[in-house]
Amino acid sequence: DAMVIQNPRYQVTQFGKPVTLSCSQTLNHNVMYWYQQKSSQAPKLLFHYYDKDFNNEADTPDNFQSRRPNTSFCFLDIRSPGLGDAAMYLCATSRDLESYTFGSGTRLTVV
Amino acid sequence: DQQVKQNSPSLSVQEGRISILNCDYTNSMFDYFLWYKKYPAEGPTFLISISSIKDKNEDGRFTVFLNKSAKHLSLHIVPSQPGDSAVYFCAASATNTGNQFYFGTGTSLTVIP
Repeated sequence: DAMVIQNPRYQVTQFGKPVTLSCSQTLNHNVMYWYQQKSSQAPKLLFHYYDKDFNNEADTPDNFQSRRPNTSFCFLDIRSPGLGDAAMYLCATSRDLESYTFGSGTRLTVV
Repeated sequence: DQQVKQNSPSLSVQEGRISILNCDYTNSMFDYFLWYKKYPAEGPTFLISISSIKDKNEDGRFTVFLNKSAKHLSLHIVPSQPGDSAVYFCAASATNTGNQFYFGTGTSLTVIP
């Protein structure tokens, strides 16, 4: 089945140690998004790629970076994770404004 | 600034009855709205959508109503089933903002058998 896959499901990283989360899709959607969701809060858009064009939200910290080497893959890099970065990270894709398809998320714990 | 608001963090409904989840928005430019359902430890799953040219969209047990003048939308689930127990997010977007969706904070629905 066509889908959005996030790896790993659970990630534990040390304070200040760089970590990379990955997302892949078989939908051939041209837009890919990264959201951060903390407990009891709405998912917060960090950035998105429209084809190869990177669009960063104004309030996304510089600590968060993203790479999209091809249509199918997108990575979220956290250069120096802090305790406040512990959250669920959701990847999503879309082709148009009809709907998003979300991955299952990666739960990040910072110790 | 929260542009999409879900003021009820939780809702409990008896099985077989109607569940009504509400969502308010502040940006009059929003012209597309969606509801997502989210189970614990999973990503949100698309449920139903509505564009601003309509005031109602129905899909099986799920109906979304849009009141543009009140900037309000609601999701009706009839009849409610225990498997509907989840967190429901509404989201909105405006054509002129590209692909950015704004999410509410979610309503946790519990359907009691």
